[in-house]
Amino acid sequence: GENVEQHPSTLSVQEGDSAVIKCTYSDSASNYFPWYKQELGKRPQLIIDIRSNVGEKKDQRIAVTLNKTAKHFSLHITETQPEDSAVYFCAANEGGYTDKLIFGTGTRLQVFP
Amino acid sequence: NAGVTQTPKFQVLKTGQSMTLQCAQDMNHNSMYWYRQDPGMGLRLIYYSASEGTTDKGEVPNGYNVSRLNKREFSLRLESAAPSQTSVYFCASSGFGGGHWEQFFGPGTRLTVL
Repeated sequence: GENVEQHPSTLSVQEGDSAVIKCTYSDSASNYFPWYKQELGKRPQLIIDIRSNVGEKKDQRIAVTLNKTAKHFSLHITETQPEDSAVYFCAANEGGYTDKLIFGTGTRLQVFP
Repeated sequence: NAGVTQTPKFQVLKTGQSMTLQCAQDMNHNSMYWYRQDPGMGLRLIYYSASEGTTDKGEVPNGYNVSRLNKREFSLRLESAAPSQTSVYFCASSGFGGGHWEQFFGPGTRLTVL
């Protein structure tokens, strides 16, 4: 089955700096890669996703890149703000034809003012 | 439109007790899921249901059973709770909305087994 690894487990940045979180996946059939943000005590919420037919997607200060050959994808947050502090999870769908997601273990991002 | 709802929000059980976690969605989604979240372990899939009447095991199904009662409701049952089942449980559903596919999560149930 699919295996998703996520690094780093914790990340601290100064407000205004950029943050990058990286994930690798094992199933070459995976074709959907979402990123979720989870604030303390809250539910995970989708912030951006990418499908295997594109290499990059942007939404204001966040972007996701995908390298299918290397089987890795990354989340980039620019001009970080204190409200970006949260746990971020990457995921990949299993088998490519299912909507069953396998999640990474999460990255705790702390943005210091 | 309430999205995905879960009950209860908190529960404390003694070892060996049983309980059912309830989940409902009002987005007319076919697929529904149960995850558990433990520190440092991310979100691990317990069971999922691709449509009414079907269920499949996920990564960590041992000690759990599920029922897809109808399209809206998907329950998770612990027959004999163990301390290792202390966790936060999230229900989710997935489908298209506004031309975009997405998996939506419920607010979670924090379960402690003593």
